Amino acid sequence: NAGVTQTPKFQVLKTGQSMTLQCAQDMNHNSMYWYRQDPGMGLRLIYYSASEGTTDKGEVPNGYNVSRLNKREFSLRLESAAPSQTSVYFCASPAGEVNTGELFFGEGSRLTVL
Amino acid sequence: DAKTTQPTSMDCAEGRAANLPCNHSTISGNEYVYWYRQIHSQGPQYIIHGLKNNETNEMASLIITEDRKSSTLILPHATLRDTAVYYCIVRVHSPSGNTPLVFGKGTRLSVIA
Repeated sequence: NAGVTQTPKFQVLKTGQSMTLQCAQDMNHNSMYWYRQDPGMGLRLIYYSASEGTTDKGEVPNGYNVSRLNKREFSLRLESAAPSQTSVYFCASPAGEVNTGELFFGEGSRLTVL
Repeated sequence: DAKTTQPTSMDCAEGRAANLPCNHSTISGNEYVYWYRQIHSQGPQYIIHGLKNNETNEMASLIITEDRKSSTLILPHATLRDTAVYYCIVRVHSPSGNTPLVFGKGTRLSVIA
């Protein structure tokens, strides 16, 4: 099925460990986004990529790095995980080649940092 | 992007229409109104969007006031599966993708049997 695929779905890390969240979309769109959602809160934008090879900071970029190596994939890296990064992470991309604002979200990656 | 104000929570009886309000009094002429919902801990789901005319699709209707300072999302016959957090977002049309959607805290709608 067309859409946004995130891996892993669940991950537990110890403080200081590093990991990369992977996101792939098959809708052939230029834009991709990473959001995080803490319990009881709305989504907050971490980073986004308007096109292949470009990335921009969102509301809460500190502690994260991103990489957009090709049109399909947009990865989010935690270099040194902290308990404050315990959250659910969502990747999103517009549903189609024209960005009308209709975003398609992945199922989320649930990260716990101990 | 213009800021939006939504009630924190609302209840609706099953089978009745759910009317979710959103205030966006500082909206500018080129900003659209978007509605998303998030069921439990799933990823948000797009519902509908509009500029100034009322819009309807298979999921909902969007009513935008003439001055565009507020809008209402209408779920005509709410079911238990419509229980979710509903987000109202205002944003300029951005085909280049460099103006991301910014989510607030939304309205938690509880549909009651």
